[in-house]
Amino acid sequence: DTAVSQTPKYLVTQMGNDKSIKCEQNLGHDTMYWYKQDSKKFLKIMFSYNNKELIINETVPNRFSPKSPDKAHLNLHINSLELGDSAVYFCASSQDNIYRRTYNEQFFGPGTRLTVL
Amino acid sequence: SQQGEEDPQALSIQEGENATMNCSYKTSINNLQWYRQNSGRGLVHLILIRSNEREKHSGRLRVTLDTSKKSSSLLITASRAADTASYFCATDAWGSYIPTFGRGTSLIVHP
Repeated sequence: DTAVSQTPKYLVTQMGNDKSIKCEQNLGHDTMYWYKQDSKKFLKIMFSYNNKELIINETVPNRFSPKSPDKAHLNLHINSLELGDSAVYFCASSQDNIYRRTYNEQFFGPGTRLTVL
Repeated sequence: SQQGEEDPQALSIQEGENATMNCSYKTSINNLQWYRQNSGRGLVHLILIRSNEREKHSGRLRVTLDTSKKSSSLLITASRAADTASYFCATDAWGSYIPTFGRGTSLIVHP
């Protein structure tokens, strides 16, 4: 069974459209993340949720809105897509305890390659 | 925010040789992790080393951490063609909830 899954794997769309990427983890983890990896492989965190609560919200345009319906899912919705949004988006999860500040290994999904034309 | 920087950016070696990659960071950390990313895939965790540890081993991997120099190294011994991948370090700084990754070292192992 896939631990962290993302759909779709590839997403090609026109500028101005709205799209969503879904992420699910079956590891029972409390924390989930969204990362963006650019063409130079720089991996930057966008959001993190712990037990459905937003705990990290990096400098990301408000066109990006994460939604966590339950702790096993963290979806990413993007409005009014722009050319610069083209990248690979990774979802990850981990069994962190942010209150004790103990961080553990993250399990990554396979990535969603978004291309905005 | 805290950011690890890997060095070198790219490394090309022959199978059987050892590969060493370094990571430097700027502020005190809780822990440091190394990840591998094969082309077109997600990252896979290799080793986590905590700030009070100096060395860890896992199979052919050896990680060291020098908090006085704010640096870590990843050594892959007796490399194989299958080790070809990008290797990233990730740190989380004291007082920060934000894990930050470097840009990675691209390793090519020639058969």
